[in-house]
Amino acid sequence: DTEVTQTPKHLVMGMTNKKSLKCEQHMGHRAMYWYKQKAKKPPELMFVYSYEKLSINESVPSRFSPECPNSSLLNLHLHALQPEDSALYLCASSTPGSGNTIYFGEGSWLTVV
Amino acid sequence: RKEVEQDPGPFNVPEGATVAFNCTYSNSASQSFFWYRQDCRKEPKLLMSVYSSGNEDGRFTAQLNRASQYISLLIRDSKLSDSATYLCVVNKNGGYNKLIFGAGTRLAVHP
Repeated sequence: DTEVTQTPKHLVMGMTNKKSLKCEQHMGHRAMYWYKQKAKKPPELMFVYSYEKLSINESVPSRFSPECPNSSLLNLHLHALQPEDSALYLCASSTPGSGNTIYFGEGSWLTVV
Repeated sequence: RKEVEQDPGPFNVPEGATVAFNCTYSNSASQSFFWYRQDCRKEPKLLMSVYSSGNEDGRFTAQLNRASQYISLLIRDSKLSDSATYLCVVNKNGGYNKLIFGAGTRLAVHP
């Protein structure tokens, strides 16, 4: 079983809603990530946090807003999403630095209606 | 050109077969390389890291050729449970873990 826990597992939201995806890990990792995966496509990096600071933003639209309240938690706040944002959102964590193994959570399936 | 390119698949093989997946990457400065496995509607899971000297884990053998920017995965004695999508993954240089995934190759092992 994965040691990266994501909630909720499934979320359906309207285009005017505000919702959040949550991620938690207790492996002591100080790097955390959000990836987005569309059907039959590979995961695509959205954000990287290192030591609770945003290190990489892959030009993600502002309707996605990440937050890292502490070293164990990572949130993704969602507002005014579009139907094309429907996807699997994967949280991951690792020891900071290039080359370290990244562990993924089971993902949150998001449907925007 | 995509940063990481893989065999398109799908590969349909009988149990016990040997199957090989290939992958090329475009960024010569890439530092680390992996094969991940992803089952349908599940998260990607690390199968193995790939080293220049080649490495083996049971029925799985991975090879890296930096000069050709080529990565391979060999699965021997395929099992039904090997059916999944295999993702070639490259970590771009730069201090942060920035995984770039290939499109994946689907493997279906049949009885």
